[in-house]
Amino acid sequence: TQLLEQSPQFLSIQEGENLTVYCNSSSVFSSLQWYRQEPGEGPVLLVTVVTGGEVKKLKRLTFQFGDARKDSSLHITAAQPGDTGLYLCAPRNQASGGSYIPTFGRGTSLIVHP
Amino acid sequence: KAGVTQTPRYLIKTRGQQVTLSCSPISGHRSVSWYQQTPGQGLQFLFEYFSETQRNKGNFPGRFSGRQFSNSRSEMNVSTLELGDSALYLCASSLGFGHEQFFGPGTRLTVL
Repeated sequence: TQLLEQSPQFLSIQEGENLTVYCNSSSVFSSLQWYRQEPGEGPVLLVTVVTGGEVKKLKRLTFQFGDARKDSSLHITAAQPGDTGLYLCAPRNQASGGSYIPTFGRGTSLIVHP
Repeated sequence: KAGVTQTPRYLIKTRGQQVTLSCSPISGHRSVSWYQQTPGQGLQFLFEYFSETQRNKGNFPGRFSGRQFSNSRSEMNVSTLELGDSALYLCASSLGFGHEQFFGPGTRLTVL
């Protein structure tokens, strides 16, 4: 069973601040996805990272996949109230024997105050 | 294109009752997955259906069951409800394995 940790668990910041959230594991992943879940809604896929060391940018969000493909980070520049939500990481592994059990981290709950 | 819809959005039941939740996937999507989300355990996979067949199953007791119809709509049933079943139940649809999942808004179930 892989151990998946997201940190910090909670984050409350002011508009305009920068922040980084982390997703760490003891296992190697074939790829990793980041989702954002806003209150009252289901998670929405932000990005999928596949290659070790890969960096992807989505406007003010920068996602990085660790070189060893065991960890990932999400950096938000100049956070805005619209960034408020629960950020979930979801590692993906190759299916074995046709079965695949999706797993998600516990998430980082971010509140950005105006 | 309409998104994933789930009904009802909110539900209150008492211990021992059973409940059926419904999920209508995005048109053309044949895979529907169900998840349970709680503050303590996070988002946990229940099961996945593809073309009316259960393809994968998470680690939940047999009280949790599901089915998928020929139009890809899916239902999940929880029998003999327990207090610990209180959660947000999410369904997600996709074209199939390896494709992006699209989540519905969820059904908030409260068991009293």
